[in-house]
Amino acid sequence: AQSVSQHNHHVILSEAASLELGCNYSYGGTVNLFWYVQYPGQHLQLLLKYFSGDPLVKGIKGFEAEFIKSKFSFNLRKPSVQWSDTAEYFCAVNGGSARQLTFGSGTQLTVLP
Amino acid sequence: DGGITQSPKYLFRKEGQNVTLSCEQNLNHDAMYWYRQDPGQGLRLIYYSQIVNDFQKGDIAEGYSVSREKKESFPLTVTSAQKNPTAFYLCASSIGRVGGAFLGHEQFFGPGTRLTVL
Repeated sequence: AQSVSQHNHHVILSEAASLELGCNYSYGGTVNLFWYVQYPGQHLQLLLKYFSGDPLVKGIKGFEAEFIKSKFSFNLRKPSVQWSDTAEYFCAVNGGSARQLTFGSGTQLTVLP
Repeated sequence: DGGITQSPKYLFRKEGQNVTLSCEQNLNHDAMYWYRQDPGQGLRLIYYSQIVNDFQKGDIAEGYSVSREKKESFPLTVTSAQKNPTAFYLCASSIGRVGGAFLGHEQFFGPGTRLTVL
């Protein structure tokens, strides 16, 4: 069975600070990895995804994530956050022949102006 | 304008009543999903369907039922057997299979329905 852990439940940063949100998964085979974001009052939307190839993936709005297979991690980063990045962020994994995504518990990011 | 619609946005139910949440998509996607979102627990899969007239239980299917009579529609019924139904419910869809290969890993989400049991 696949599982996902997001250890940071609530992160508070000031504008222009750097961001790194942790995501670890448990699955021994090939995985597809995702970060989704849920802005206040909006749909859950895809930030970025990793299927194969370059382990450093760039997404929308200046976000990136690095897949480190040896650490079973897919951490989300942004060099300089903005107030508009305030949202809840979810990591998700799809492993092997699984036909569904498994989501982490989410990290609420609050950016102070 | 393609997308996923869910209705109603807010739903109130008395204990002991069944309620049905609507989910419609015009993305021509084969696969559809229902999730439940609770604070601090992320999204948990209730049911999913890879094709019309077929669906599978997810991790927390007890107390829920679904149907998939049309490609574009995947309604969820919350029955009186669901012990703690108050939650935010999200519907999603993905492409599913293309040329025999499963490509439905990326899911697109609707705006959600917030169900409150009184």
